[in-house]
Amino acid sequence: TQLLEQSPQFLSIQEGENLTVYCNSSSVFSSLQWYRQEPGEGPVLLVTVVTGGEVKKLKRLTFQFGDARKDSSLHITAAQPGDTGLYLCAVAGGTSYGKLTFGQGTILTVHP
Amino acid sequence: GAGVSQSPRYKVTKRGQDVALRCDPISGHVSLYWYRQALGQGPEFLTYFNYEAQQDKSGLPNDRFSAERPEGSISTLTIQRTEQRDSAMYRCASSPTSGTTGELFFGEGSRLTVL
Repeated sequence: TQLLEQSPQFLSIQEGENLTVYCNSSSVFSSLQWYRQEPGEGPVLLVTVVTGGEVKKLKRLTFQFGDARKDSSLHITAAQPGDTGLYLCAVAGGTSYGKLTFGQGTILTVHP
Repeated sequence: GAGVSQSPRYKVTKRGQDVALRCDPISGHVSLYWYRQALGQGPEFLTYFNYEAQQDKSGLPNDRFSAERPEGSISTLTIQRTEQRDSAMYRCASSPTSGTTGELFFGEGSRLTVL
């Protein structure tokens, strides 16, 4: 059983469409991170959410942390081909923030 | 360089051979992490260091895997007697601080293929 369940696993959409990616768990977390990984590159941190109900915006990306701090969502408005990549949620465990457990990821493809 | 550097970028080896993967973190970064990533999946934690001290090796799959960071900078992940199931992308990440908050900076990875 995965600690973090991401859905959908694959998403293929046309440029200009909106989309939402989900990250769910039965556990409560003090914080949660979202990463984007482009083909051939390492993951890059997009955002960290720490407060239940928190909403953060990064240009066309909106991140929300659930009220109970068990789940999170990433919404992209008017997707562009440059948004193509693997989107990962992650939580820290133990005494180091860098010891992360990642979800299995959502592979997003945005077609021109 | 400005980022985390890993070498070799690609390594093909025969089953039973030993391999050493190198990570050169961002200059001055305190913490260094090793992850393994299967294609299309999220990275899986292996081990991490603060300075030269290995703090946690709970993610190393078995005793064929080891890592060191003798001078608190460059790190080497060694896999002895490689098996086909060891084939994966091995990623290194560093961070400027240790503790409970911060950001990881990942390298481009070393892709290992065991034939």
